[in-house]
Amino acid sequence: AQSVAQPEDQVNVAEGNPLTVKCTYSVSGNPYLFWYVQYPNRGLQFLLKYITGDNLVKGSYGFEAEFNKSQTSFHLKKPSALVSDSALYFCAVNTNTGFQKLVFGTGTRLLVSP
Amino acid sequence: NAGVMQNPRHLVRRRGQEARLRCSPMKGHSHVYWYRQLPEEGLKFMVYLQKENIIDESGMPKERFSAEFPKEGPSILRIQQVVRGDSAAYFCASSSTDSQGPNSPLHFGNGTRLTVT
Repeated sequence: AQSVAQPEDQVNVAEGNPLTVKCTYSVSGNPYLFWYVQYPNRGLQFLLKYITGDNLVKGSYGFEAEFNKSQTSFHLKKPSALVSDSALYFCAVNTNTGFQKLVFGTGTRLLVSP
Repeated sequence: NAGVMQNPRHLVRRRGQEARLRCSPMKGHSHVYWYRQLPEEGLKFMVYLQKENIIDESGMPKERFSAEFPKEGPSILRIQQVVRGDSAAYFCASSSTDSQGPNSPLHFGNGTRLTVT
């Protein structure tokens, strides 16, 4: 069965510094990987996805993620954090079942301090 | 173009009552998903529906839970005889039938927060 691990419950970073939110996955077959962000009392918003092709994927709000097949990782990154990036971030995997039956990680809370 | 609309935003039920959660997908979307988020956890898949069809309900508890997406009207997630463990945020998401297929990002509603007292 597929699974996603987000090893950090919380990541703290100062505004202007680079940020990384970690994600590793375990699937049989080719993974389709996603990052979503959740603001308080809101639904999830799509940030980016990896399906195939370039290992570096660029998404919304200046975020990017790097797919590493050998390390089974899909870490989310941003060169310069903003206070407004503070939110809950979820990594998810789909194994092309023909629809979006996503398996989510437990989430990482990002706190960007001024 | 309105997003995914869920109502109510908050729902309080006593143990043993029924809870009905509604979801109107984005305009033009005919695929509806329900996910549940327990406190301090990620989202868990419950059910995937298309109009008048349940495609995959492998994440639904075997008893008390049901879902439908009729030809007309919103999708309904129904929980009968609620228990305290049903307290959670229930999110609906929709996607289109475009060529992306399983790659289509989901559009989530703001969720219904169910509290069972």
